[in-house]
Amino acid sequence: RKEVEQDPGPFNVPEGATVAFNCTYSNSASQSFFWYRQDCRKEPKLLMSVYSSGNEDGRFTAQLNRASQYISLLIRDSKLSDSATYLCVVNDDYKLSFGAGTTVTVRA
Amino acid sequence: GAVVSQHPSRVICKSGTSVKIECRSLDFQATTMFWYRQFPKKSLMLMATSNEGSKATYEQGVEKDKFLINHASLTLSTLTVTSAHPEDSSFYICSASNPQRGGETQYFGPGTRLLVL
Repeated sequence: RKEVEQDPGPFNVPEGATVAFNCTYSNSASQSFFWYRQDCRKEPKLLMSVYSSGNEDGRFTAQLNRASQYISLLIRDSKLSDSATYLCVVNDDYKLSFGAGTTVTVRA
Repeated sequence: GAVVSQHPSRVICKSGTSVKIECRSLDFQATTMFWYRQFPKKSLMLMATSNEGSKATYEQGVEKDKFLINHASLTLSTLTVTSAHPEDSSFYICSASNPQRGGETQYFGPGTRLLVL
């Protein structure tokens, strides 16, 4: 079983739509969680950390469900520039485990 | 934010040659650096953890004699792919963290695309 699993998508949505997707992780002792964004042929860039109480950063909302071992990302009012692959990342003792990513394409 | 550079950004080499990739933290001292590899449409896979002044810790299945890591200073780690073969063609990305800045956050370099012919 993979440590971090994501729906690969792609999610094709029109501008202005809301899109949400989840990620599951296998290690119940995992300490912290992140969403990274990766554009085609580029390095991952930190989008946001995910806190137990859930957190928002502008149009992005992240949730953590420790009991069910999943995290989610919701993007409101999608922009064309949100088109990217979103990587779910789990930190265990300063070692990051990455999901394979969920591809989101926002169309005009 | 923190900046991590990698050099070269892309390299094409013949099978059997060795390739060295440099990873530098430009504005902070990185006690720990990480080397990842990413194949197309796949997740980043951690290859090894590099600690300044000590031997790197390799992940299971990664050959330490093939992927030589040197972390001789707090701002530089190098990965050498020895006797490269076409199956080593991949996107190699380094990251750096500093526990004094809250070591959870890893700052990624721009990556190096290796193509072995």
